[in-house]
Amino acid sequence: KQEVTQIPAALSVPEGENLVLNCSFTDSAIYNLQWFRQDPGKGLTSLLLIQSSQREQTSGRLNASLDKSSGRSTLYIAASQPGDSATYLCAVKQGGSEKLVFGKGTKLTVNP
Amino acid sequence: EADIYQTPRYLVIGTGKKITLECSQTMGHDKMYWYQQDPGMELHLIHYSYGVNSTEKGDLSSESTVSRIRTEHFPLTLESARPSHTSQYLCASGQGWTEAFFGQGTRLTVV
Repeated sequence: KQEVTQIPAALSVPEGENLVLNCSFTDSAIYNLQWFRQDPGKGLTSLLLIQSSQREQTSGRLNASLDKSSGRSTLYIAASQPGDSATYLCAVKQGGSEKLVFGKGTKLTVNP
Repeated sequence: EADIYQTPRYLVIGTGKKITLECSQTMGHDKMYWYQQDPGMELHLIHYSYGVNSTEKGDLSSESTVSRIRTEHFPLTLESARPSHTSQYLCASGQGWTEAFFGQGTRLTVV
């Protein structure tokens, strides 16, 4: 059974700092890995999608990497801003069933 | 921008009532999902569908049921709501190597 773990569970940083969020998964038979952002009480906003054959994806200040063989992904946020404060979720899409399996998320607070 | 919609956004209803949460997508995705999320907690898959007339139970047991009569529509029904059903329900769609898109969610409160 696929398990997704995100570390740390919570992170508080001063504005302007670069930071890394970690995601690990136990079963490497995945279609892709997706990073989401969730604001309190809201739905999920897709940030980046990495296919199983890719190593990284970039969008603006965000960069996500994938090491499928070791079951790890990182989300790098450059020059953090208070508006980046949210919970960041990592999800893998399983091969075969195509179920999305989520981690518990990292709650990020960026202090002005 | 994601073309997946959930209604209602918020619902407060009395115990014992029957409710249906609506989810529609216009992207033509075969795969659709329902997740349940309690406040501050992780998402749990409760139902998913591979396509029309296909429904499967997810990893978390749920008293809700779903149907998939049309590709674009994946409603979730609770026959008799209870306070323990109070939660946020999130619908998503996606296919193969594509992104998964989520609706804005329905926050259900059963009193």
